[in-house]
Amino acid sequence: EIVMTQSPATLSVSPGERATLSCRASQSVSSNLAWYQQKPGQAPRLLIYGASTRATATPARFSGSGSGTEFTLTISSLQSEDFAVYYCQQYSNWPRTFGQGTKVDIK
Amino acid sequence: EVQLLESGGGLVQPGGSLRLSCAASGFTFSSYGMFWVRQAPGKGLEWVSALSGSGGSTFYADSVKDRFSISRDNSKNTLYLQMNNLRAEDTAVYYCTKAGPYYSDHWGQGTLVTVSS
Repeated sequence: EIVMTQSPATLSVSPGERATLSCRASQSVSSNLAWYQQKPGQAPRLLIYGASTRATATPARFSGSGSGTEFTLTISSLQSEDFAVYYCQQYSNWPRTFGQGTKVDIK
Repeated sequence: EVQLLESGGGLVQPGGSLRLSCAASGFTFSSYGMFWVRQAPGKGLEWVSALSGSGGSTFYADSVKDRFSISRDNSKNTLYLQMNNLRAEDTAVYYCTKAGPYYSDHWGQGTLVTVSS
């Protein structure tokens, strides 16, 4: 099973600032990496797939990068609606596995 | 618009069984694989199971293998998760998701399963 490790666990950021979230895979997943956003009391929603392709309705301030084992989700200028928990997921191998999440909260 | 509506959650005793359903609409159901993903209270996401569009291929997390069974009825646009021999650690919100095609591109609102005596 591929283990996904996200860092940091919590990221405190001021509105308008840049946020950088990391995700590491225990073995190469090529570009088979997705990012999801989850707000309190809501279901997750897809943000990024293919490591860097924005899903429909994902704002341009969200960008993904990386391949192999190291991935990054960057939010260029945090808006109030971006404070949430973010999960990465590999879909290279079965079983699919998620990282433990990074909570982005208001500084 | 893609819609996924889970049902069937509730309180069940350890060792008991429950069947979850997910009614899908807004897309050609039989053309897409489907997943179940769960989230224990206050915890992260855990992928549970997958099923191909035809129903011919299934995959399970080790934690539920041999206890859970995923299936679908393409004539009813419905996905199922049969859960047997339930344990306290199976307590979670269970989400039905559409495969897009390898990741979850649409999510239902979830149904809560509580395993407790």
